Amino acid sequence: DQQVKQNSPSLSVQEGRISILNCDYTNSMFDYFLWYKKYPAEGPTFLISISSIKDKNEDGRFTVFLNKSAKHLSLHIVPSQPGDSAVYFCAARTYGNKLVFGAGTILRVKS
Amino acid sequence: ETGVTQSPTHLIKTRGQQVTLRCSSQSGHNTVSWYQQALGQGPQFIFQYYREEENGRGNFPPRFSGLQFPNYSSELNVNALELDDSALYLCASSPDWGDTQYFGPGTRLTVL
Repeated sequence: DQQVKQNSPSLSVQEGRISILNCDYTNSMFDYFLWYKKYPAEGPTFLISISSIKDKNEDGRFTVFLNKSAKHLSLHIVPSQPGDSAVYFCAARTYGNKLVFGAGTILRVKS
Repeated sequence: ETGVTQSPTHLIKTRGQQVTLRCSSQSGHNTVSWYQQALGQGPQFIFQYYREEENGRGNFPPRFSGLQFPNYSSELNVNALELDDSALYLCASSPDWGDTQYFGPGTRLTVL
């Protein structure tokens, strides 16, 4: 039962352009959504989050959009940099502060 | 400020053995969660401890158990290891229940 899905296993983007990573969920009870970035041999690093009562949150080059009616969220990175190359995980929070993760999207930013 | 640390970094065990993984929470954090990340998948929630009490559990059998100590460090114990237990085990701490979780680098467990 995959409650959080990241349907694109990988994404390749040119440096300076926009990266858009997508995530779909099925559980209407999720109250918070988070994006984590993971480099090889490191743990996931918290990037940005959004409450279920908002539709947009921005932090520097990173913006997360939430469409509750479509049960869809996206992470926009503008402009993309080679250092952004990593695996990006979408996560949703259920009651009890349990995080449910998607399978991840590998982002490659080409210089 | 020291982040979340985990030990050991890598571990190799054989089927049927028992293993203990350790986690030191970030300073001031009273909540710790453990996750299992199999190859090619996202992390899966094992359980969470809040102020030394188990505060939630995922779909893992009872041979997965844990402890949180008064200094908020934590252990994950796995008994009767199976081949499918081979994974990266991640520990995450948060300042308080409900706050953002910050992850350690993980322990890579290989079961032969």
